[in-house]
Amino acid sequence: QVQLVESGGGVVQPGKSLRLSCAASGFTFSNHAMHWVRQAPGKGLEWVAVISFDGGNQYYADSVKGRFTISRDDSKNTLYLQMNSLRAEDTAVYHCVREVVYLANIWFDPWGQGTLVTVSS
Amino acid sequence: DIQMTQSPASLSASVGDRVTISCRASRGISNYVAWLQQKPGKAPKSLIYGASSLQSGVPSKFSGSGSGTDFTLTISSLQPEDFATYYCQQYNSYPITFGQGTRLEIK
Repeated sequence: QVQLVESGGGVVQPGKSLRLSCAASGFTFSNHAMHWVRQAPGKGLEWVAVISFDGGNQYYADSVKGRFTISRDDSKNTLYLQMNSLRAEDTAVYHCVREVVYLANIWFDPWGQGTLVTVSS
Repeated sequence: DIQMTQSPASLSASVGDRVTISCRASRGISNYVAWLQQKPGKAPKSLIYGASSLQSGVPSKFSGSGSGTDFTLTISSLQPEDFATYYCQQYNSYPITFGQGTRLEIK
């Protein structure tokens, strides 16, 4: 079945770096744009970044632009999020999400269960 | 950026009730709106795309409408499994943005 499994979260000090990974299975990874969406504890959803199906285009939320980098390795069916200069406000569960396209519409399905990143001294 | 203003923030209803959740975009976004459901401790699940198209496997008790700036999600005949948090999402342009969420609770 279609599955996304995130890893790499943990506790990190402010200013430090962390790299998240998302292992995809059950579908042709290279056919899909992929996103990261985060959710701070007890808060709503915040879109973080997207990478196109061919890796040629990336877009970021203003809150992470210049600090985070999204990338993919289609040979490993894996999505990454390199997070640098981490701040307390980056504390959240980070979800990896597949983009599905139909006509002019997109939706996010499935969502990974997420990996918790806690930025604290 | 397009802001998605969702209301109400919380809603109490009884089993069997029909409820409506609203979402307003800060500018026109055609029908590029999705609705998601999130249960405690779980990842969100896609319910509706294109403002009104039901995802495969989603029961017809869920319906969406709207175009331009105003959108609604209606849930009829509420059952215990429907009590969750619901989010609207616009995908007209980057950055993709979500509404603040509506927590639907049992009265």
